Amino acid sequence: AQTVTQSQPEMSVQEAETVTLSCTYDTSENNYYLFWYKQPPSRQMILVIRQEAYKQQNATENRFSVNFQKAAKSFSLKISDSQLGDTAMYFCAFMSNNDMRFGAGTRLTVKP
Amino acid sequence: DAGVIQSPRHEVTEMGQEVTLRCKPISGHDYLFWYRQTMMRGLELLIYFNNNVPIDDSGMPEDRFSAKMPNASFSTLKIQPSEPRDSAVYFCASSLTSVYNEQFFGPGTRLTVL
Repeated sequence: AQTVTQSQPEMSVQEAETVTLSCTYDTSENNYYLFWYKQPPSRQMILVIRQEAYKQQNATENRFSVNFQKAAKSFSLKISDSQLGDTAMYFCAFMSNNDMRFGAGTRLTVKP
Repeated sequence: DAGVIQSPRHEVTEMGQEVTLRCKPISGHDYLFWYRQTMMRGLELLIYFNNNVPIDDSGMPEDRFSAKMPNASFSTLKIQPSEPRDSAVYFCASSLTSVYNEQFFGPGTRLTVL
């Protein structure tokens, strides 16, 4: 079974600085997708970024980018120029062949 | 579009009662997912549908849980009988065309079983 590990339960960053959230996963699949979802205090889950495993180029979405290392099974999220609105739980997720699993989440606090 | 709609937003019930959670996906979306989120187990996929047909229900914890999707615009998750350990936030999500596309989540239903 696929597992997703987020080793940082909590992190904090100063506003305008950069922070990296880590995620590793375990799978024997070759074709899969990876996601980062954000869950702010409002509880609404929102997709931050998505990466297809067959693409070598790292996905980017404005201030959010990933460092996808397929061989190492690592999928970290970098948030640049952190904003107060980035304060949330961040979940790393893995999906392949009808199986979707989420990590335990990292609680990120952006401090003014 | 109003997004994914879930009702009720909060539900408090007593052990042994039947609970029905409701979800209206975004119009035109082919896939509908049900998740459960708890502090202990995190976010878990319970079941998902494609074009109203259940595809994978391996995440459904036990026979007390059942889910239906009678049409493209409505799905229910039923727990009968409910137990205190079922207390959680239940999310419904939908996606367009592919199971790998972005999932749009509803606001969730917070269930408390006393």
